[in-house]
Amino acid sequence: DAGITQSPRHKVTETGTPVTLRCHQTENHRYMYWYRQDPGHGLRLIHYSYGVKDTDKGEVSDGYSVSRSKTEDFLLTLESATSSQTSVYFCAIRVTSGGMGQYFGPGTRLTVL
Amino acid sequence: KQEVTQIPAALSVPEGENLVLNCSFTDSAIYNLQWFRQDPGKGLTSLLLIQSSQREQTSGRLNASLDKSSGRSTLYIAASQPGDSATYLCALMLGGGADGLTFGKGTHLIIQP
Repeated sequence: DAGITQSPRHKVTETGTPVTLRCHQTENHRYMYWYRQDPGHGLRLIHYSYGVKDTDKGEVSDGYSVSRSKTEDFLLTLESATSSQTSVYFCAIRVTSGGMGQYFGPGTRLTVL
Repeated sequence: KQEVTQIPAALSVPEGENLVLNCSFTDSAIYNLQWFRQDPGKGLTSLLLIQSSQREQTSGRLNASLDKSSGRSTLYIAASQPGDSATYLCALMLGGGADGLTFGKGTHLIIQP
């Protein structure tokens, strides 16, 4: 358990509405990540953060934005949700010792109707 | 672009057998490789991490090996049990900076009682 929580755990929303997913960690890790998991595609990186207010794009960043105003919170926002953003979203942290492995939160299942 | 392939995509074996899951990658310049387990509808659990300078790691009945020159890693599960049934994911970190992980699509493993 890497002390990662995600909220909400499940959400159903309509096309065109904004959605914000939250990732919270309790262990003061510098690096945080957002991935999405889809059948046939596996897990893909959306955005990542290497410190407060320091973020960068991943492989599938179009339609998403992120913010990190505190070390412990990393927010993922869908500005105007589309059906193609229906997915399971995972947050991860990366430790800075012992090989720098990543550890994942429980996920948020998002359905866009 | 790094590509990660896991073979087989699915595997069903009787309880008690030893088995090997395979992961291959196209770019040998990796920082580390991580094996994860994912149960249906759940998050990812880290099983083993191998740094690029290492050849193998062991945890209980699990052993992971890494051969960077051939672009291959294997996960060996000894004396399989029904509780080992899950999807196993291989993931690579390319650089030592803030890089995210590049995932394979996984091997869905079923252990028959």
